[in-house]
Amino acid sequence: DAGVIQSPRHEVTEMGQEVTLRCKPISGHDYLFWYRQTMMRGLELLIYFNNNVPIDDSGMPEDRFSAKMPNASFSTLKIQPSEPRDSAVYFCASSPRTAANYGYTFGSGTRLTVV
Amino acid sequence: DAKTTQPNSMESNEEEPVHLPCNHSTISGTDYIHWYRQLPSQGPEYVIHGLTSNVNNRMASLAIAEDRKSSTLILHRATLRDAAVYYCILRDEGTYKYIFGTGTRLKVLA
Repeated sequence: DAGVIQSPRHEVTEMGQEVTLRCKPISGHDYLFWYRQTMMRGLELLIYFNNNVPIDDSGMPEDRFSAKMPNASFSTLKIQPSEPRDSAVYFCASSPRTAANYGYTFGSGTRLTVV
Repeated sequence: DAKTTQPNSMESNEEEPVHLPCNHSTISGTDYIHWYRQLPSQGPEYVIHGLTSNVNNRMASLAIAEDRKSSTLILHRATLRDAAVYYCILRDEGTYKYIFGTGTRLKVLA
């Protein structure tokens, strides 16, 4: 199993540009999560999907952020337009369930720098 | 969400056991204790979890106090590859979110 795969690993973009981050969850995992990590705020949950349907997007910072999951093997997080304060490491995680007695598998993250 | 308290940093010598403490005095009866670690430039990695009884797996052991107000993650023989930030997190059945704190940064000395 290749684990959760994220691309790109690093992204540098100019303020105002559109950025798309990609995630391939582990096959058979019905739940997919997008997290953001910064020094100031630590790891924060942005949105999560169940069977490709967004369930809770209350962590999405503002309308500039959007996430989709067109099928069970692919999800995107888009920022349009990007701003310097969006600079962070974005993680995708997947799990076969959300039960409290089960853990999640995280990807290696995408480090986004907006200049 | 119940909170956890961990030391900011710890050091250990290679090949020696490491005991990483976590206090969770406000834990409820339905909270599971989860541990994750984050290696440099990696995403968090699940380590172990437990509810009441001590737990062992190939990575570590989890010792849970009888009153469940504290727990200890035990790495039996620390290696340089165990240098990471270790997070202790509480989750109950109604929560799908992990509330990550600041964790304990473990430094392993050769």
